[in-house]
Amino acid sequence: KAGVTQTPRYLIKTRGQQVTLSCSPISGHRSVSWYQQTPGQGLQFLFEYFSETQRNKGNFPGRFSGRQFSNSRSEMNVSTLELGDSALYLCASSPGTSGDFTDTQYFGPGTRLTVL
Amino acid sequence: GENVEQHPSTLSVQEGDSAVIKCTYSDSASNYFPWYKQELGKRPQLIIDIRSNVGEKKDQRIAVTLNKTAKHFSLHITETQPEDSAVYFCAVGGGADGLTFGKGTHLIIQP
Repeated sequence: KAGVTQTPRYLIKTRGQQVTLSCSPISGHRSVSWYQQTPGQGLQFLFEYFSETQRNKGNFPGRFSGRQFSNSRSEMNVSTLELGDSALYLCASSPGTSGDFTDTQYFGPGTRLTVL
Repeated sequence: GENVEQHPSTLSVQEGDSAVIKCTYSDSASNYFPWYKQELGKRPQLIIDIRSNVGEKKDQRIAVTLNKTAKHFSLHITETQPEDSAVYFCAVGGGADGLTFGKGTHLIIQP
């Protein structure tokens, strides 16, 4: 099976702009989770989508949002970008049947976002 | 929410020696414990995982042990090789907060 893919791989934006990142899960997987990775905070959970619905949410402000399409592809949007949003954004796909993150999660290569 | 502590942050071992990385967690309801390896510029890759009904799991040179009473689990790598050099993350699942990750261990294999 093809692995998890993410586009774009690199993005440079300026403060105040918004950005949309895309994630295509492994075929047959219905859950897509998003994580932010920074040197200081490590890997932090943003949210999870399952069957086009946000099922779980981490502790991030409302500027971070997402959606999932009927083919399980997911997008993440960040509005009003801040310097601190510079990070590697990773998505992970899983079958999602457990609903409690005990399914194996497979990560994509990430999108490196730089906010200037 | 869940809190995961990972030690050490950096570990340097001689090639051929063993490496041990330890993690502790706070939520006794957690029941899934994966380990990921991330090489520079690459995605995190699952190397081994364990669920709470098992105390130990082994896959060739890699093993994970779990002590649910003490709420800690460990990664053991034997006969280390240069390609084992990477950052290793422990994680904990079993709730609604996604996987909660440790801060990572930078494993350096000295030739």
